Amino acid sequence: TQLLEQSPQFLSIQEGENLTVYCNSSSVFSSLQWYRQEPGEGPVLLVTVVTGGEVKKLKRLTFQFGDARKDSSLHITAAQPGDTGLYLCAGRGDTNAGKSTFGDGTTLTVKP
Amino acid sequence: NAGVTQTPKFQVLKTGQSMTLQCAQDMNHEYMSWYRQDPGMGLRLIHYSVGAGITDQGEVPNGYNVSRSTTEDFPLRLLSAAPSQTSVYFCASRRSSGAPLHFGNGTRLTVT
Repeated sequence: TQLLEQSPQFLSIQEGENLTVYCNSSSVFSSLQWYRQEPGEGPVLLVTVVTGGEVKKLKRLTFQFGDARKDSSLHITAAQPGDTGLYLCAGRGDTNAGKSTFGDGTTLTVKP
Repeated sequence: NAGVTQTPKFQVLKTGQSMTLQCAQDMNHEYMSWYRQDPGMGLRLIHYSVGAGITDQGEVPNGYNVSRSTTEDFPLRLLSAAPSQTSVYFCASRRSSGAPLHFGNGTRLTVT
C-alpha cells in the first residue's frame, strides 16, 4: 500500500500570512493531485501534477512536485479567510488500476 | 449537469440494520469508487469499479458490498451495520484512470 503523509495536520494563521503544506511518501507516483474540501461538501480538485520538478500556479497557490515524484508541496501566499478548508493530496501509482491514495489532510484556518 | 449525486445526505441506523447508500453520475465516467472519511484519517477506499459489471476491493472493504449493473449507478450496501461504520461516505467518479476524481457531497452515517 502506498502511503502519503501530510504535514502539518492543523494550521491556524492570520490573514495575509504565507504558508506551506507538505505531502510526502516513500513511493513514486505517476501523478499527484491536490483537493480542497469545505464542510458538508466533497473534495474539489485544485491541481494535478505529473512531471518531476513541475511547478504550477493557481492565483496565490503554488504547487510543486518533487523531482523524484515522491513528494509535493502547496504554498499559499497572503492567505485569505476564503482559503479556510481541508487540503488533501492524493497520489496515483503506475500499477494500481487508477486507484488514488489520499493523505490524511491539512485543516487550514485563516483568521481575519 | 448534476455530476455525482449521493442519497441520502444523513442516515441513522441501529446496530444490525441494513441499508444502501445510493450514488449516481451523469458524466458517463467508467471509473467509480466509494470512500469513507473519518477524523484524522483522510479518505480510505472501500470499493471501486472500472466499468459496468466490474468491481474490486479497496483498503477497507469488510462489511460493505457493491455492484455496478450500469455505468451511471454504484450503490454501496451495508448488510449489518456496526458502530465502527459511523463515518462520512463519499462516492467519486473519474473519466479515466489518470483523470481527477469528481466527488459527491457525501452521506453522513451514524450507527448506534
